[in-house]
Amino acid sequence: AQSVTQPDIHITVSEGASLELRCNYSYGATPYLFWYVQSPGQGLQLLLKYFSGDTLVQGIKGFEAEFKRSQSSFNLRKPSVHWSDAAEYFCAVGAEGGTYKYIFGTGTRLKVLA
Amino acid sequence: GAGVSQSPSNKVTEKGKDVELRCDPISGHTALYWYRQRLGQGLEFLIYFQGNSAPDKSGLPSDRFSAERTGESVSTLTIQRTQQEDSAVYLCASSLKSGGAGEQYFGPGTRLTVT
Repeated sequence: AQSVTQPDIHITVSEGASLELRCNYSYGATPYLFWYVQSPGQGLQLLLKYFSGDTLVQGIKGFEAEFKRSQSSFNLRKPSVHWSDAAEYFCAVGAEGGTYKYIFGTGTRLKVLA
Repeated sequence: GAGVSQSPSNKVTEKGKDVELRCDPISGHTALYWYRQRLGQGLEFLIYFQGNSAPDKSGLPSDRFSAERTGESVSTLTIQRTQQEDSAVYLCASSLKSGGAGEQYFGPGTRLTVT
């Protein structure tokens, strides 16, 4: 069965520091992979997505993620965090072939120290 | 509107009452999804509508939950005889096309509290 694991429930970084949020997935075929961000009181906003091709994906707000098939990972990175990046981040997997049921991880809550 | 909208934004109800949650998808989006987000957990798929096809209701947790969608417009999620475990944020999303490649756009959610 498909699953998504985000091992870090909370992460705290200082403003200006680099960030990496981990995501591991379990899926037998080629996955579609997504990172969403959820600010307090807001819906989820898509940061980036991977379908195929270049395994390093650039997204909005300076985020990037790298798909590593051998590690079943799709970690999210940002070289320099801003205070406005404090939010909850969700990794999700969608299945190739038309399955629309995204499987979401449990989320990582990011706190940014001034 | 420019995005997916949901109403109400917050709903407090007594155990045993029925509630109705509304979702207005982005105009032109044929696919519509409902998810439930319990505190500290990820999103749980509930139901999916695609055009005039029969909806996929496989994620609905019990027969107290139902949803309707008229054509490619508004959808309502109804919870009958609410229980405290129904307390959660209910998120609606829509996408231009179905399938794993269809990017889903989310509304702000309805926070349901059952007392």
